[in-house]
Amino acid sequence: ETGVTQSPTHLIKTRGQQVTLRCSSQSGHNTVSWYQQALGQGPQFIFQYYREEENGRGNFPPRFSGLQFPNYSSELNVNALELDDSALYLCASSLQGLNTEAFFGQGTRLTVV
Amino acid sequence: AQKVTQAQTEISVVEKEDVTLDCVYETRDTTYYLFWYKQPPSGELVFLIRRNSFDEQNEISGRYSWNFQKSTSSFNFTITASQVVDSAVYFCALSEAQDDYKLSFGAGTTVTVRA
Repeated sequence: ETGVTQSPTHLIKTRGQQVTLRCSSQSGHNTVSWYQQALGQGPQFIFQYYREEENGRGNFPPRFSGLQFPNYSSELNVNALELDDSALYLCASSLQGLNTEAFFGQGTRLTVV
Repeated sequence: AQKVTQAQTEISVVEKEDVTLDCVYETRDTTYYLFWYKQPPSGELVFLIRRNSFDEQNEISGRYSWNFQKSTSSFNFTITASQVVDSAVYFCALSEAQDDYKLSFGAGTTVTVRA
């Protein structure tokens, strides 16, 4: 186990709703990244948080937003859910960016109906 | 443009066979890192190896070995004497110095090892 925990493990939402996914980073790690993995594809980078600030963002619309808390845990919020948002959402924690090992959680499987 | 290409979508082998997974990457940076991750059915990405662009030495770890060739922009992964527990999706990923906050993943290769 990596020590990175995500909640919930599964959830089902209706199109147009909002969702919040949570991630607790590995002890001592100050950087959290979020990835979206659609079925049969590789993970796509959403954004990264370092010391509570967004440190980089991928090609995702503004309705994808995040937070990082003083204890380095993080939330991913998605507004106005669309069917294409159905995916596995992975959180990764690391130290000061990704040139070090990034440890991933088990993911949250989001289904939008 | 896709920065990491894993041309093999699926590979099926019988236990004890060797299997090689191909990974071709594209970058303009001279400093970058290459990774391999394993994703079992549980969904968690398991880190296998990280390689920096200045270290072309091949690496062996147990039944796993990696062949990094800058001349062909490839970072291939071989599992020797495969076992059923090796069945998973394997991802190659790239982290570039200019955007070192993110990993760019390939589409993955599904490996099925049959008993």
